[in-house]
Amino acid sequence: SQTIHQWPATLVQPVGSPLSLECTVEGTSNPNLYWYRQAAGRGLQLLFYSVGIGQISSEVPQNLSASRPQDRQFILSSKKLLLSDSGFYLCAWSLLNEQFFGPGTRLTVL
Amino acid sequence: ILNVEQSPQSLHVQEGDSTNFTCSFPSSNFYALHWYRWETAKSPEALFVMTLNGDEKKKGRISATLNTKEGYSYLYIKGSQPEDSATYLCAFLGGGADGLTFGKGTHLIIQP
Repeated sequence: SQTIHQWPATLVQPVGSPLSLECTVEGTSNPNLYWYRQAAGRGLQLLFYSVGIGQISSEVPQNLSASRPQDRQFILSSKKLLLSDSGFYLCAWSLLNEQFFGPGTRLTVL
Repeated sequence: ILNVEQSPQSLHVQEGDSTNFTCSFPSSNFYALHWYRWETAKSPEALFVMTLNGDEKKKGRISATLNTKEGYSYLYIKGSQPEDSATYLCAFLGGGADGLTFGKGTHLIIQP
């Protein structure tokens, strides 16, 4: 069966510090991978998606970047965090019509 | 930018009562409509994936209908229980799109 892991589960970072959130998927090959964010008072927003190694599409301009160095690894990064980067970050993978979400990372930027 | 709207934003329901809420989405270029149940600090749990106009799906006390021509879906909960308290998200997938567009969710609170 397929599983999806995210870490860390929670993170508190100062403004201006770098960020690296990792997501890995097990039990499937060549999945489509996604990063979503829920900011306070807002719905889930798609940030990035990837259909293969090294292939990243960005949905909205922002302070973040994503990379896919391996087939089942998806990384969300920032060089300098902003207060507005605070939120709940979800990684997901998809199979046909369905998407499956990881446990999420709660990021607080102070 | 795709517009996916959910109403109401929040809802208080007495235990044992039935309830329903709405998701509206673009009626053009439709591919699929997803419903998720999302509890705080957990990952969203898939409830339904609906693809055909007129679809009705059921899972226990929860059911959903789909009207792609007018761009709406209803989620129904029969005989609400405290464990039904959660945020219910709908998400639209358009043809050729690579990710879901989510509504802001309906936050449901079941009062004992």
